[in-house]
Amino acid sequence: GESVGLHLPTLSVQEGDNSIINCAYSNSASDYFIWYKQESGKGPQFIIDIRSNMDKRQGQRVTVLLNKTVKHLSLQIAATQPGDSAVYFCAENIEGYQKVTFGTGTKLQVIP
Amino acid sequence: SQTIHQWPATLVQPVGSPLSLECTVEGTSNPNLYWYRQAAGRGLQLLFYSVGIGQISSEVPQNLSASRPQDRQFILSSKKLLLSDSGFYLCAWSVEFHSNQPQHFGDGTRLSIL
Repeated sequence: GESVGLHLPTLSVQEGDNSIINCAYSNSASDYFIWYKQESGKGPQFIIDIRSNMDKRQGQRVTVLLNKTVKHLSLQIAATQPGDSAVYFCAENIEGYQKVTFGTGTKLQVIP
Repeated sequence: SQTIHQWPATLVQPVGSPLSLECTVEGTSNPNLYWYRQAAGRGLQLLFYSVGIGQISSEVPQNLSASRPQDRQFILSSKKLLLSDSGFYLCAWSVEFHSNQPQHFGDGTRLSIL
C-alpha cells in the first residue's frame, strides 16, 4: 500500500552544523505534510507543516522543502544544537481524511 | 491555549487484567481525537479515532476498544490484556472538520504487560 518512509534511520551531526532529514512519500494524492520531533519518553511535538501548493516553508531554525515531482520531503535544521537530539517523523495527510500516515522516523544525534 | 493530558504516565499490568487509559483535552471544543500505539524504536500505529461523542472508528482489529463519553474525553480500554499489548500509547487531538491541520500529542502512557 501507500506509505511514508525515511532514507536514513540515524543521522549524526556535529553541534553547530546544519542537519537535513529526508522523507519519501508514495501517495501522490497527499496534499499536507507535517514534521514532528519526539524526545525520549515523550509524545511527538509538532515542528512545522507544509501544504502541497508550496515548495518551501521556514520556521525558527527549521525549513521544510517539498518536491512533489519526486515525492520528497526534507527538514533542515540550522545550527544544530544538543537539544535537537530526538527522533523526527514526517507525516502525510489527504484533504478530507481524518487520518495521518506517519513515517518510521529518523534519529538525530548531535555530537557536542 | 489548548492542552492534552494522558494518565497514567506508566502502567504495569499482568496478562489477562483489564485496562483503562484516559485522555482529556482542554481549551478547544469538538476536537478530533486519536489513540496511537508506538512499539519501541518504531513509528506510530493508529488504533482509533473519533470525530464526535460516541463516534469511534477502529483501524486495527484487536482486543482494545475506545470510547468517547464526553466531548473532550477519550478512553482506551481492554477487558483482558495480552503480552502483545505492551507499548507506548499516545493520545492526540486536532481541530474539528479540518483534515489539513496538525495533530497534537500528549506525553503518552508506557504500558508493560507481565
